[in-house]
Amino acid sequence: ETGVTQSPTHLIKTRGQQVTLRCSSQSGHNTVSWYQQALGQGPQFIFQYYREEENGRGNFPPRFSGLQFPNYSSELNVNALELDDSALYLCASSLKGGKPSNYGYTFGSGTRLTVV
Amino acid sequence: GESVGLHLPTLSVQEGDNSIINCAYSNSASDYFIWYKQESGKGPQFIIDIRSNMDKRQGQRVTVLLNKTVKHLSLQIAATQPGDSAVYFCAEMNSGGYQKVTFGIGTKLQVIP
Repeated sequence: ETGVTQSPTHLIKTRGQQVTLRCSSQSGHNTVSWYQQALGQGPQFIFQYYREEENGRGNFPPRFSGLQFPNYSSELNVNALELDDSALYLCASSLKGGKPSNYGYTFGSGTRLTVV
Repeated sequence: GESVGLHLPTLSVQEGDNSIINCAYSNSASDYFIWYKQESGKGPQFIIDIRSNMDKRQGQRVTVLLNKTVKHLSLQIAATQPGDSAVYFCAEMNSGGYQKVTFGIGTKLQVIP
């Protein structure tokens, strides 16, 4: 069994630039969710992808967008980066309708994005 | 490494003692209540969950208690070890619709050797 892997682990971007973060799902999972975690806070839900379509979104502007591929991997794209976008971006894979248990909803280690 | 526990409430416990971490939740409609452990530089790690129709569930060295009357969730860790030092988040999830995990405010647990 493989876990959730994210790349890159760290990234520094300049305000106004665009960034793409990547996530590979855990084997057997078909749903991917993205979260933003600011320093000292809990993760905040950005959106979820299932069957290559966005099927749920949190309170984030349209410049946050994503993709899911046929192999269930996913990308998070952020355009026009702002200083407040600096955070740890977490990907979680799951099985649609699954339970929260360790194999049902699994988080990756995240990508630390710093916007300067 | 950087700390995910910056400015979070902190609980300091002597090694070997029991720890109790508390959480107040807001959404009574959630199907699952979950505890996650997050170490510095890592993503949240599932510890234990409890369905909304239960009031207690035990795992290995951990017990979760759910009081729906006062919307309170607690995590008890028995015989706390240095490896338990981390930030702990309570969270809620609905099994219907899309699965979104809503995290509460974290608590930083410091185990004193």
